[in-house]
Amino acid sequence: ELKVEQNPLFLSMQEGKNYTIYCNYSTTSDRLYWYRQDPGKSLESLFVLLSNGAVKQEGRLMASLDTKARLSTLHITAAVHDLSATYFCAITPGTYKYIFGTGTRLKVLA
Amino acid sequence: IAGITQAPTSQILAAGRRMTLRCTQDMRHNAMYWYRQDLGLGLRLIHYSNTAGTTGKGEVPDGYSVSRANTDDFPLTLASAVPSQTSVYFCASSDRSQGLEKLFFGSGTQLSVL
Repeated sequence: ELKVEQNPLFLSMQEGKNYTIYCNYSTTSDRLYWYRQDPGKSLESLFVLLSNGAVKQEGRLMASLDTKARLSTLHITAAVHDLSATYFCAITPGTYKYIFGTGTRLKVLA
Repeated sequence: IAGITQAPTSQILAAGRRMTLRCTQDMRHNAMYWYRQDLGLGLRLIHYSNTAGTTGKGEVPDGYSVSRANTDDFPLTLASAVPSQTSVYFCASSDRSQGLEKLFFGSGTQLSVL
């Protein structure tokens, strides 16, 4: 069965702390995506990871991909309140099909 | 501003009624998608189209139909709405020619079926 699982589903953390969100998937995928969704809003692309060992960073967020383990991580460094959102990973197991994880709802407390 | 336009923004619909959600993009992307978002289930693909004139089924296609008469428009139709179709619906597009193929999303349609 095709699965994209994110861990944790909910995360409440203090400002200034570090944390990692995990994305495990059950089948091969050409690439892996991370998206951000603010409450009541649409999704915005954060990162596209194209190969094993790929690492992308923007600001306090860093994403990595291990295709052998079928695992991607989204690491948050020194969290700030503006990072509060829901984060989704997604894979492309077949042409034109993007399969999303269940999302991780992050709340950063001041 | 280029992007994806969805309409309506929200709708309350009686069960059994027919409803079409509209989606238009002006980026000339070849691929378009419809997703539904439900709490705890993430986004699930309903239907997709890789180019004008072709469509395909996603993870949860039952009860929905789509058409792709041209590059820009990709309407989603609920022939006879049921309460389980209450959800937030997102239209998206991607440009395969760019290689990265990241999705661009519309602002969503909140649909309530009573």
